[in-house]
Amino acid sequence: AQSVTQLDSQVPVFEEAPVELRCNYSSSVSVYLFWYVQYPNQGLQLLLKYLSGSTLVKGINGFEAEFNKSQTSFHLRKPSVHISDTAEYFCAVIGLNDYKLSFGAGTTVTVRA
Amino acid sequence: DVKVTQSSRYLVKRTGEKVFLECVQDMDHENMFWYRQDPGLGLRLIYFSYDVKMKEKGDIPEGYSVSREKKERFSLILESASTNQTSMYLCASSETGEGTEAFFGQGTRLTVV
Repeated sequence: AQSVTQLDSQVPVFEEAPVELRCNYSSSVSVYLFWYVQYPNQGLQLLLKYLSGSTLVKGINGFEAEFNKSQTSFHLRKPSVHISDTAEYFCAVIGLNDYKLSFGAGTTVTVRA
Repeated sequence: DVKVTQSSRYLVKRTGEKVFLECVQDMDHENMFWYRQDPGLGLRLIYFSYDVKMKEKGDIPEGYSVSREKKERFSLILESASTNQTSMYLCASSETGEGTEAFFGQGTRLTVV
């Protein structure tokens, strides 16, 4: 079984400032990692995913994440946020040969002008 | 454009009622999932299905059942609704294969009074 810990429940940030959302996972098998975003009153949509290869993954809307196997982390970053990035962000993991995603508790990002 | 459609955005039901939440996907995906989303707890898997008429319990199946009679449709049933089942319910689907992305519906916010 896998589990995910998102280390920050709330992250307030000013517009045009950088943001980092932290995610750690635990698993006894190799995993694939995902970040999803949920805008207010909407479902989840995929920001980016790590399957294999380069540990730096680029996603939509200027987000990127770095997979660190030794630290079992998959932190999400954006160098300059916009008001429209206000949303809840979920880190998720799926084990090799599995198809059930396990999610973290979520991080709410509030971008202020 | 891929689509997962949940039949209702908002529902209000009375304690003890039998409640049906419907989900339809148009992507011919094998896997379908029902999650429950609560503040501070992230998404928790209730049930999933990997084929027509096949189902497996997730992490919190108590008080719920599911039905998958056709590949594109996955129903969540609350046999006797209780106030602690007030929540946001999210349906998702994915292809079979390693590291495949899950696509989510818009969610159904259920209130049990």
